[in-house]
Amino acid sequence: QVQLVQSGAEVKKPGSSVKVSCKASGGPVNIYAIGWVRQAPGQGLEWMGRIIPSFPRENYAPKLQGRVTITMDEGTGTAHMRLSSLRYDDTAVYYCVTSLGILDGYSWGSWGQGTLVTVSS
Amino acid sequence: EIVLTQSPGTLSLSPGERATLSCRASQSVSSSYLGWYQQEPGQPPRLLIYGASTRATGIPDRFSASGSGTDFTLTISRLEPEDSAVYYCHQYDSSPYTFGQGTKLEIK
Repeated sequence: QVQLVQSGAEVKKPGSSVKVSCKASGGPVNIYAIGWVRQAPGQGLEWMGRIIPSFPRENYAPKLQGRVTITMDEGTGTAHMRLSSLRYDDTAVYYCVTSLGILDGYSWGSWGQGTLVTVSS
Repeated sequence: EIVLTQSPGTLSLSPGERATLSCRASQSVSSSYLGWYQQEPGQPPRLLIYGASTRATGIPDRFSASGSGTDFTLTISRLEPEDSAVYYCHQYDSSPYTFGQGTKLEIK
């Protein structure tokens, strides 16, 4: 099982950018894909995008295309999600998620604890 | 984009009963890439089912799922108080991946 530990809460101004980190631990793991999912207060889950580090290959949600970038530093086992041009409706809890590929059916078997990003003037 | 519609929105049942949750897709989803997640208040979601019917590690056999094409079902038998949560279906067959809006399960 992969443990994912995310960076702490952030408060940002509209128009600025935020970068959230996610470090994987739990022994030697071969992560197939890393994704990010967000959840606005009191709302459901929204898929943001994912990367497959070994290819590499990226997919992003169309509504966030151009504003979101997901990267992976395989040396440190740390993933990053950068969201730019922040708006008030970007206020949400951001989760990093990982897939071990065929071992969890390419689904998101591990979730980070979540990082609250608040956009406020 | 594949839209997933879950029903009912809220389900209120008693301990020991069976819950049946539905997830309908706007277009066909490969069974290999349909999952179910459970989210308890204040917690991140937890993977219950992947590949439409395969329980994730550590998930009790009270949880079962089935379906194909555009209609998928999650069944929770012998309900326990700790099953109170919101349940989401998720398709990761076609990008952009999408989630259903969730079904809130309340245990009376």
